[in-house]
Amino acid sequence: SYVLTQPPSVSVAPGKPARISCGGNNIGGKTVHWYQQKPGQAPVLVISYDSDRPSGIPERFSGSTSGNAATLTISRVEAGDEADYYCQVWDGSTEIWVFGGGTKLTVL
Amino acid sequence: EVQLVESGGGLVQPGGSLRLSCAASGFTFKNYAMSWVRQAPGKGLEWVSSISGRGTTTYYADSVKGRFTISRDESKDTLSLQMNSLRVEDTAVYYCTKDLVVVVGTAPMDVWGQGTTVTVS
Repeated sequence: SYVLTQPPSVSVAPGKPARISCGGNNIGGKTVHWYQQKPGQAPVLVISYDSDRPSGIPERFSGSTSGNAATLTISRVEAGDEADYYCQVWDGSTEIWVFGGGTKLTVL
Repeated sequence: EVQLVESGGGLVQPGGSLRLSCAASGFTFKNYAMSWVRQAPGKGLEWVSSISGRGTTTYYADSVKGRFTISRDESKDTLSLQMNSLRVEDTAVYYCTKDLVVVVGTAPMDVWGQGTTVTVS
């Protein structure tokens, strides 16, 4: 089955950029979505269709894909961005949704 | 306001059954695919099942196939998940989600409920 691999944790100082990777075989050929989940809350969609920002999501959030990796970038990280981030793709061959294992973003 | 409210969670013994419900409001329910996603304590997100708008097509994770059944009632704007033969490893918070379009797999989950907790013990 299709597997998405994320680093367990990323730490960044406030005001610096954070980059969270999501690896998968030929992920560039799939459409990637990203979710943010703060402690005790439901996930929130922050990037759809690789790089689109839903309404209400700050411009500091951006997404990209290339080859075997997708990347969520948060420019100028703020304390309020501290959360778990998950990537997601639809595996058309098996017709299942796949989530990455999640990355915990810590703001130093 | 678009809203999803789950109910039906609780404590059940292994081998038992439970039925989760999700009341949808604020959008035309029949026009959107819906899904269930779960999260075990301290773990990541795991997709469970999806159903297309109008309920024509259903999809299941291998971990629940044959035990769980997803359904929707367009007259009541309600999504359901019938869970049978429950296992300890099914213990999780179960989230109801709305997809962006009617077809499963072509769009992300843009609205999430607050979740309902299922404990199998």
